This record gives sequence, structure tokens and C-alpha cells, in this order.
Amino acid sequence: AQTVTQSQPEMSVQEAETVTLSCTYDTSESNYYLFWYKQPPSRQMILVIRQEAYKQQNATENRFSVNFQKAAKSFSLKISDSQLGDTAMYFCASMEYGNKLVFGAGTILRVKS
Amino acid sequence: DAGVTQSPTHLIKTRGQQVTLRCSPKSGHDTVSWYQQALGQGPQFIFQYYEEEERQRGNFPDRFSGHQFPNYSSELNVNALLLGDSALYLCASSLNIWEASGGKNIQYFGAGTRLSVL
Repeated sequence: AQTVTQSQPEMSVQEAETVTLSCTYDTSESNYYLFWYKQPPSRQMILVIRQEAYKQQNATENRFSVNFQKAAKSFSLKISDSQLGDTAMYFCASMEYGNKLVFGAGTILRVKS
Repeated sequence: DAGVTQSPTHLIKTRGQQVTLRCSPKSGHDTVSWYQQALGQGPQFIFQYYEEEERQRGNFPDRFSGHQFPNYSSELNVNALLLGDSALYLCASSLNIWEASGGKNIQYFGAGTRLSVL
């Protein structure tokens, strides 16, 4: 069974600085996907970044990048040049064949001015 | 292009009642998944519908049931409501394909329905 663990319940960062959110996962599959979703107070879950497990290159999306360590089953999210609008709950999630997402418990990120 | 829409946004019910939540998928999507998100927790998968059939189910009792219509929209029904059913119910739509590229297996979420059971 898939499991996703986020060990940081809360994080804070100063505006313009860099922060890294941690995530570990477990799966018995060789082909799977990993995601980071952002959920602001408005509740809408928004995709931040997606990683395909068979690709060794780490995914990047503008200020967001991941450190994907397949052997260690680790998938951390780095946010550079943090902005006030980045304040949200961040969820790490995995997906095996069948398109069912399994989420971690989330990390609350607060960006301070 | 409308995204995923859910209705209603808020709902208050009492124990024992039944509730129906609705979801319209993003244009072009054929698969709808439902998730339950308790306060302060990550979403939990309830079930997934494709071609008007339930294709996968999470660890939820039979009180939770669903339906998908020919236009791909979907309903989530919960019978005999319990206090513990109070949560945010999220609908996500996607394409029912498992592809290694193109991002076509991305799930897009609606804003959810907040259900309160008193």
C-alpha cells in the first residue's frame, strides 16, 4: 500500500528567502508519480509540481523545484524567493497505476514579511 | 474553460440524514474522484468513477455511494450521517489514462463542499 509522510506540521520563512518542505513515501511499484499540491485558505487544491518516478531529472516550475531521491523514497519541495502568496497548506502525494492519489498530512507554510 | 465545479459550497445536516454532493468535471475530462478531508488532515480517497462505473474504492463504508452521469458529472451520496462525516469533500477530475508524459494524469480539484453534521 502507498503511504506518504510529511514530518513537518508547520514551517515559516521570511519573504524572499528559501524554504524546503520534506516528504517521504513508500510504494512497491516501479512506475509512479509524485506531486506537491498547495491548499490556500480558499480551500482550492492547486497543483504545484509533478515528478515522474522513471525520470531522474528533478522537476522545476519557476520558483518551485523538487529533490527526488528515488532510492531513499524522498521527495522534498524547495521554494525560492518566497512570497506572501505562498502561505498555504502544502500536501505531498503519490499516485500509482489507477490514478488514485494518496496524500500526506500536510505542512502549513507561513511566509512572513 | 470552466474548471471543476462543486455544489453546494456549504451544507449543514443532522445525524441520520442523507446528503448528495455534486461535481462537474473540467471540460474534456472523463474521470471523477472523490476525497474526504477532515479538518487539519490530508484528503482521503473515497472512490473513483469512469464510464459511469465505480472503478476504485478507498476504505469507506457502504454508506458512501456515488454515481456518474453520461456527461461525466458525478454525485456523492452519504446515508445515515454520523458526526464523524463532517469534513470538506473534494472532487477531482482527470483523464483516465496512465501515461508517462504530458501530464495527462493530473487531477484537478474543485473548491470542495464543507459538510457539517450536527
